[in-house]
Amino acid sequence: QPVVTQPTSLSASPGASARFTCTLRSGLSVGTFRISWYQQKPGSPPRYLLRYKSDSDQQQGSGVPSRFSGSKDTLANAGLLLISGLQSEDEADYFCAIWYSYTWVFGGGTRLTVL
Amino acid sequence: QVRLVESGGGVVQPGRSLRLSCAASGFSFSSYGMHWVRQAPGKGLEWVAVIWFDGNYEYYGESVRGRFTISRDNYESTLYLQMNSLRAEDTAVYYCAKSTDDYSDAPDYWGQGTLVTVSS
Repeated sequence: QPVVTQPTSLSASPGASARFTCTLRSGLSVGTFRISWYQQKPGSPPRYLLRYKSDSDQQQGSGVPSRFSGSKDTLANAGLLLISGLQSEDEADYFCAIWYSYTWVFGGGTRLTVL
Repeated sequence: QVRLVESGGGVVQPGRSLRLSCAASGFSFSSYGMHWVRQAPGKGLEWVAVIWFDGNYEYYGESVRGRFTISRDNYESTLYLQMNSLRAEDTAVYYCAKSTDDYSDAPDYWGQGTLVTVSS
């Protein structure tokens, strides 16, 4: 079972909100991890969006709009990336990452389609 | 502004070696940890290695441990990745990235990447 799992795709309409999940493997507690999120558009390197562990331990990437935010779903044992007021330019791949056992582990990524 | 420029990629035969470089500017290079992350064509991100700000500690992904070595020259503001015993599955774009802190924290700024193709 992978350390972190992301859905492969997500679709949403312009102006709506998108909710990305990053589910941790059974036995790992989402409350103990900082989860980092990245956006990647075709032909470009990843862009750091934010890091979230708790409301008191979070960091927004430089120049990242406040409509991108982090959270956690403790019941689902998942980190969340929330995007409000979706724009066509938000269409991209989104990756989560955690520091686990002295390595960084990336999720497989979720492709967002804005239609 | 932060600038990271990778170089050294190319086509190499299986079993051979290659050394990547990453020239950094726009920040205090010696104060931050640095990462290498790779992405195979059409695939997701795979973390390769990180080195602390002072070079005293390095950590590696399982698939490259024992074959790749990360190093840095703080006087030249340059990060390196020595890749030995290359395999076809090492084919990827290799990104250099700055850590958010001086140790092993998440990558924030990324370079444009350099393509490594391992093929006979």
